[in-house]
Amino acid sequence: AQTVTQSQPEMSVQEAETVTLSCTYDTSESDYYLFWYKQPPSRQMILVIRQEAYKQQNATENRFSVNFQKAAKSFSLKISDSQLGDAAMYFCAYRSAANGNKLVFGAGTILRVKS
Amino acid sequence: SQTIHQWPATLVQPVGSPLSLECTVEGTSNPNLYWYRQAAGRGLQLLFYSVGIGQISSEVPQNLSASRPQDRQFILSSKKLLLSDSGFYLCAWSEGVGTYEKLFFGSGTQLSVL
Repeated sequence: AQTVTQSQPEMSVQEAETVTLSCTYDTSESDYYLFWYKQPPSRQMILVIRQEAYKQQNATENRFSVNFQKAAKSFSLKISDSQLGDAAMYFCAYRSAANGNKLVFGAGTILRVKS
Repeated sequence: SQTIHQWPATLVQPVGSPLSLECTVEGTSNPNLYWYRQAAGRGLQLLFYSVGIGQISSEVPQNLSASRPQDRQFILSSKKLLLSDSGFYLCAWSEGVGTYEKLFFGSGTQLSVL
């Protein structure tokens, strides 16, 4: 079964600096999607960024980018120029057709942003 | 534009009481619908998903059930709540096919069973 591991329960970053959140996953599939979701204190889940496994180029969305290492099964999220509004719980997630297209989530990383 | 409504936002129920959480989606047709649960300080666990009216798949054996009486309505129920049913419940919908689909979440229901 596919599993997603986030080894950092909590991270802190100074405002305007850069932080990287780690995620590893376990799968035998070659075709899948990886996601980072943000859950602010409002508890709503917000899609931050998505990466297709067949694409070698790392996805970017404004200040958010990923480092996708397929061979290593690693999918880290880099947040540049951190803002106070970035403070939230961040979840890494995996989906594949072989898994019925169901999202499998990691346990999450709490990100605190210091002013 | 599509919207998803989930209610109530918070709920406190005694052990052994019934439960009904409702989720509706607007602005789309035949969406895939999901119920997730988030235990305190933990990730999301998929409970149920539905690809159409009356079609429900259960991911884990539990005290809960789900129903989809209408295309854009998804209901999470229990006949008798247990303490372990406490948690944050999120409804979600997705569009698209295959692995291209994106998941959109509701605002969640915080359930406390006492």
